[in-house]
Amino acid sequence: GENVEQHPSTLSVQEGDSAVIKCTYSDSASNYFPWYKQELGKRPQLIIDIRSNVGEKKDQRIAVTLNKTAKHFSLHITETQPEDSAVYFCAANSRSGYALNFGKGTSLLVTP
Amino acid sequence: DVKVTQSSRYLVKRTGEKVFLECVQDMDHENMFWYRQDPGLGLRLIYFSYDVKMKEKGDIPEGYSVSREKKERFSLILESASTNQTSMYLCASNFMNTEAFFGQGTRLTVV
Repeated sequence: GENVEQHPSTLSVQEGDSAVIKCTYSDSASNYFPWYKQELGKRPQLIIDIRSNVGEKKDQRIAVTLNKTAKHFSLHITETQPEDSAVYFCAANSRSGYALNFGKGTSLLVTP
Repeated sequence: DVKVTQSSRYLVKRTGEKVFLECVQDMDHENMFWYRQDPGLGLRLIYFSYDVKMKEKGDIPEGYSVSREKKERFSLILESASTNQTSMYLCASNFMNTEAFFGQGTRLTVV
């Protein structure tokens, strides 16, 4: 499958600080980039997504940026809260458009 | 409210057994997926299906097969279970390039 690399694998921040997670993808044909949050023992759930015709998208404390030329996209969480603690996955669609290829995940810990 | 339901939450099987994992979605989604989740390895795609009776291999199809006889149901089959297939299995569904909804997961242990 197409390669999606995600960094860092773990991230620890103080409550109120910002957190940034970065992903790169290999297939220039990818045009859909979702981010999922998985809390312990629960299923992954979409928190934000972006398409290749947009460079940035924001939803309250969460924003995603996309650089198509460099083939990387990032998740930004501002004013972090303990309930933001979870594993975050980035993904990119495959060349065929059907499949989603995921990064290996980032375990975010927000300490009070 | 979208529902993707996996038939079992926990499953224990013996080495060599044929294992069926079932997934049902109620949103008339065209696409359905089976992922395997292991610590440190993220979500790895096993197989996906974009239509009834259509299937495509993902990154790690070896030792697995799938069946999609009806649009709402996607089955993952372990032909002869092995201990290295002990894992969390997640089913998902979506319309193309839109939010994928996941099932609750099946934790399979092969002994």
